[in-house]
Amino acid sequence: GAGVSQSPRYKVAKRGQDVALRCDPISGHVSLFWYQQALGQGPEFLTYFQNEAQLDKSGLPSDRFFAERPEGSVSTLKIQRTQQEDSAVYLCASSLQEYSYNEQFFGPGTRLTVL
Amino acid sequence: DQQVKQNSPSLSVQEGRISILNCDYTNSMFDYFLWYKKYPAEGPTFLISISSIKDKNEDGRFTVFLNKSAKHLSLHIVPSQPGDSAVYFCAASASFYSGAGSYQLTFGKGTKLSVIP
Repeated sequence: GAGVSQSPRYKVAKRGQDVALRCDPISGHVSLFWYQQALGQGPEFLTYFQNEAQLDKSGLPSDRFFAERPEGSVSTLKIQRTQQEDSAVYLCASSLQEYSYNEQFFGPGTRLTVL
Repeated sequence: DQQVKQNSPSLSVQEGRISILNCDYTNSMFDYFLWYKKYPAEGPTFLISISSIKDKNEDGRFTVFLNKSAKHLSLHIVPSQPGDSAVYFCAASASFYSGAGSYQLTFGKGTKLSVIP
């Protein structure tokens, strides 16, 4: 069956541009997570959706970051006025149930480079 | 302040020998631990997990050991194979029922394992 997919796989943006990153989770998965992975670091939590409800956005680094999952399936992470420190791999993960100790299935990530 | 630490950035092991990857944590609310494996240009894939009520969990060649008093866990791979070469991430979570109510996984920085044929 299809896993988690993300698009685009690579994105180069000029500083100040807005970007939108898409995540297609595994069909039927209730939970959806976004993580940011900087070079040489582990993934860091950004935000969590349970169906269409954004239950936790404590990891979003600034108000330039916005995520949505309007119909409880596809999710979009939007970054406004990108800055060089936003350069990272953005990972999306989904899991069947509500709690983080259920296995999270990760997508391949979107590598964002801000020039 | 890193709550999950993997102090060895890299490890090289001969094929057929044991690989031991270590992980330490500081947050006493963590009660569920996972190991993920990551190949280049792919997302992490789940490998094995352990809850704090156990001290060992085994799945084929992979065994995870948990020492709660030391806040330390380790992943043993026996025997190591060249296909095991990847970056291994330790991750921790606080159970919803413990009152910490966390949906989040907190990851270490990873250890790059190279298995030499």
